[in-house]
Amino acid sequence: KNQVEQSPQSLIILEGKNCTLQCNYTVSPFSNLRWYKQDTGRGPVSLTIMTFSENTKSNGRYTATLDADTKQSSLHITASQLSDSASYICVVRVFYNQGGKLIFGQGTELSVKP
Amino acid sequence: DTAVSQTPKYLVTQMGNDKSIKCEQNLGHDTMYWYKQDSKKFLKIMFSYNNKELIINETVPNRFSPKSPDKAHLNLHINSLELGDSAVYFCASSQTVRETQYFGPGTRLLVL
Repeated sequence: KNQVEQSPQSLIILEGKNCTLQCNYTVSPFSNLRWYKQDTGRGPVSLTIMTFSENTKSNGRYTATLDADTKQSSLHITASQLSDSASYICVVRVFYNQGGKLIFGQGTELSVKP
Repeated sequence: DTAVSQTPKYLVTQMGNDKSIKCEQNLGHDTMYWYKQDSKKFLKIMFSYNNKELIINETVPNRFSPKSPDKAHLNLHINSLELGDSAVYFCASSQTVRETQYFGPGTRLLVL
């Protein structure tokens, strides 16, 4: 069964600290993996997209990693800011010739405190 | 400037009523989607339209009926609303089914 699981479910950190969010998936065949940021009361916004051959991709203070062998991804946030407080959602796409369906994780709720 | 817009932002109604949510995108995208996000924050796709044609129709009660009058609009009509329909409904669009999706701000539906 195609599934995406994220951990931790929620996380509280102090402003300026780093943190890492995890995403494990069982989706097959794999096409790509996206990390979205969803601010409270808003729609998700794409942060990064990674394909099978990519190991690392950065977007400012956000760095995503992908290990296609172990089917794991992480999102590392450096020097956190109050505005990083949001839900971070990992989304994996099934390969297009198998429907291209998007499988969503349940998200990690990050709270950055001053 | 809004790329994907939805109306209304909030919708409070009683069980049994019929309501519609509207979505418009000004990105020139060919594909539009409706998602439901429940209280546990899981996003589940409901429908997807490509060039006004339905291409994804997940297991959704037939009380939910999408309508796409043109490529820039995808509306969602819900008949006989039930308590379990309470959720946040997100519209999204993408250039093609393979590209990044851009989400609207969501419509918060509360059925009393």
